[in-house]
Amino acid sequence: GAVVSQHPSRVICKSGTSVKIECRSLDFQATTMFWYRQFPKQSLMLMATSNEGSKATYEQGVEKDKFLINHASLTLSTLTVTSAHPEDSSFYICSARPGYSNQPQHFGDGTRLSIL
Amino acid sequence: ELKVEQNPLFLSMQEGKNYTIYCNYSTTSDRLYWYRQDPGKSLESLFVLLSNGAVKQEGRLMASLDTKARLSTLHITAAVHDLSATYFCAVAQWGGGADGLTFGKGTHLIIQP
Repeated sequence: GAVVSQHPSRVICKSGTSVKIECRSLDFQATTMFWYRQFPKQSLMLMATSNEGSKATYEQGVEKDKFLINHASLTLSTLTVTSAHPEDSSFYICSARPGYSNQPQHFGDGTRLSIL
Repeated sequence: ELKVEQNPLFLSMQEGKNYTIYCNYSTTSDRLYWYRQDPGKSLESLFVLLSNGAVKQEGRLMASLDTKARLSTLHITAAVHDLSATYFCAVAQWGGGADGLTFGKGTHLIIQP
């Protein structure tokens, strides 16, 4: 089945650090990937839609200069949290869906980001 | 704005019992999903429901979709401890394509022996 790989799984770093998270579709091409954020004991919130070869589409309230998204190939999207602060600590999850088929979105394993 | 409401948000039940989780959504959609999340883990896909009247079953779980009522249900039959997890429904915006999902708040399910 479709597999989405996300790396790293856990990041602990100091305030002010920029952190890059990678999301790869391993056995299919994904022109579109999605980035979600989940705070403890809460639901997932869509942050942005990552489009291969073009600019990402951000949801209302998400700072595009804070959360940089790059989708340079059909199998890789990256999310960079710039100058991270403690309030950015969260569980970040990416997803992708093979083409326009009626398959579900497949989620990566998530990245737990802790900013000290 | 698409809103997805899920209830109950918390459910504690005994093994062997049956129960239903409800998911209501506010606008027309062509795809509804159910996911399972274990503590500290990512999401596991359970069901994709694409049309009115769709019913899918896997083991002790059965999901259905009523697009006219904008309601989906996840029914648990003869619950077992291994089904303890948080269950999310999620809806794609009408228009299909590559739209992101809007999630319900999740149902935290605890099944006690």
